Amino acid sequence: LAKTTQPISMDSYEGQEVNITCSHNNIATNDYITWYQQFPSQGPRFIIQGYKTKVTNEVASLFIPADRKSSTLSLPRVSLSDTAVYYCLVGDKNYGGSQGNLIFGKGTKLSVKP
Amino acid sequence: GAVVSQHPSRVICKSGTSVKIECRSLDFQATTMFWYRQFPKKSLMLMATSNEGSKATYEQGVEKDKFLINHASLTLSTLTVTSAHPEDSSFYICSARPIGLAGGNNEQFFGPGTRLTVL
Repeated sequence: LAKTTQPISMDSYEGQEVNITCSHNNIATNDYITWYQQFPSQGPRFIIQGYKTKVTNEVASLFIPADRKSSTLSLPRVSLSDTAVYYCLVGDKNYGGSQGNLIFGKGTKLSVKP
Repeated sequence: GAVVSQHPSRVICKSGTSVKIECRSLDFQATTMFWYRQFPKKSLMLMATSNEGSKATYEQGVEKDKFLINHASLTLSTLTVTSAHPEDSSFYICSARPIGLAGGNNEQFFGPGTRLTVL
């Protein structure tokens, strides 16, 4: 079962780029890396997912080195509304099945200041 | 995008009563849905995996007789908290995994959550 480690909290200012790194040393060959965002009293929201190298969408980029033992979520030019908890997850592969269990770590609480 | 709804969004009940929470995938089908609970300032804890047409799989430490899960269709799963007690007060969140994803692809769509308060 792949376990993730990420910083408990980070502070930033509006307009800055924020990079949150996650370690997942025991990632399995077929596992994907997924990042979610959660605001207080709301369900998590999918941000981005990747398997290797770099993935970019309209809200973030995900950098994954060749060994896949870590990943970095990059948020360009953050705003106050990006203040949230960000979770890095690695799929819990169910051999022979497709349960896709998600095991949430403690996440990174990002605080964006004006 | 894929939308998951939960009903009710907030419920207050007396100790000893049962509460049912519905989770619906509105624009996609899901053979698998998941139920989580989250205490204040804590991370989400997976309670159980709900499979359409079969029994749910519960995580260690979660009482299946207390948290009844029914996955009656490809778009609906329900969680019933039976004989609720104040310690069951929490934020309950469901998620749905669209049909057809590869084994390692763990994209899920989450509902907005249900705040349960047991007096």
